Amino acid sequence: AQSVTQLDSQVPVFEEAPVELRCNYSSSVSVYLFWYVQYPNQGLQLLLKYLSGSTLVKGINGFEAEFNKSQTSFHLRKPSVHISDTAEYFCAVSEGELTGGGNKLTFGTGTQLKVEL
Amino acid sequence: DTGVSQDPRHKITKRGQNVTFRCDPISEHNRLYWYRQTLGQGPEFLTYFQNEAQLEKSRLLSDRFSAERPKGSFSTLEIQRTEQGDSAMYLCASSLAGGFDGYTFGSGTRLTVV
Repeated sequence: AQSVTQLDSQVPVFEEAPVELRCNYSSSVSVYLFWYVQYPNQGLQLLLKYLSGSTLVKGINGFEAEFNKSQTSFHLRKPSVHISDTAEYFCAVSEGELTGGGNKLTFGTGTQLKVEL
Repeated sequence: DTGVSQDPRHKITKRGQNVTFRCDPISEHNRLYWYRQTLGQGPEFLTYFQNEAQLEKSRLLSDRFSAERPKGSFSTLEIQRTEQGDSAMYLCASSLAGGFDGYTFGSGTRLTVV
């Protein structure tokens, strides 16, 4: 079974500072990895995804993430955050169709990013 | 296409009442998923459909929960005899089967059972 661990429940950071949100996953097969952002009382919006190929993936709003297979990690980074980046961020993993799971996503518990002036 | 739509956005109900939520996926997406999200947690898988067939149900989906997707278009999620523990955000998402690009989520239905 797949699982996701987001090590930080909250990350405070000052505006224009860099940020890294950590994500580790566990799976017995190859996986697809995702980061979603959720604003208050909203659904989830896809930030970026890793399916295959280059381990450094770039997403929307200046975010990027690096897939590290040996460390089973997929950390999210942004070089300079803005106040509007304040939101909940979820890392998610899917085993795709390999295990007959129909591309189910397993989510971490989320990291609340709070950008302060 | 306007994305994934969910209705209602908010529902307050008394314990023991039945509630039904609706999800309209992106029209060309043949997969539809339901997730539940409680406060401070990530979304948890409930069930999914490919076209009109319900292919998997989570153990989280008790006998009081039923989901349908008639004609492979919109879907409904019904909760019978609601309990306070059912209070959560219910999220719907859709995608294409085969090849995976991630889901598109709706804005969710927030259920409060009083």
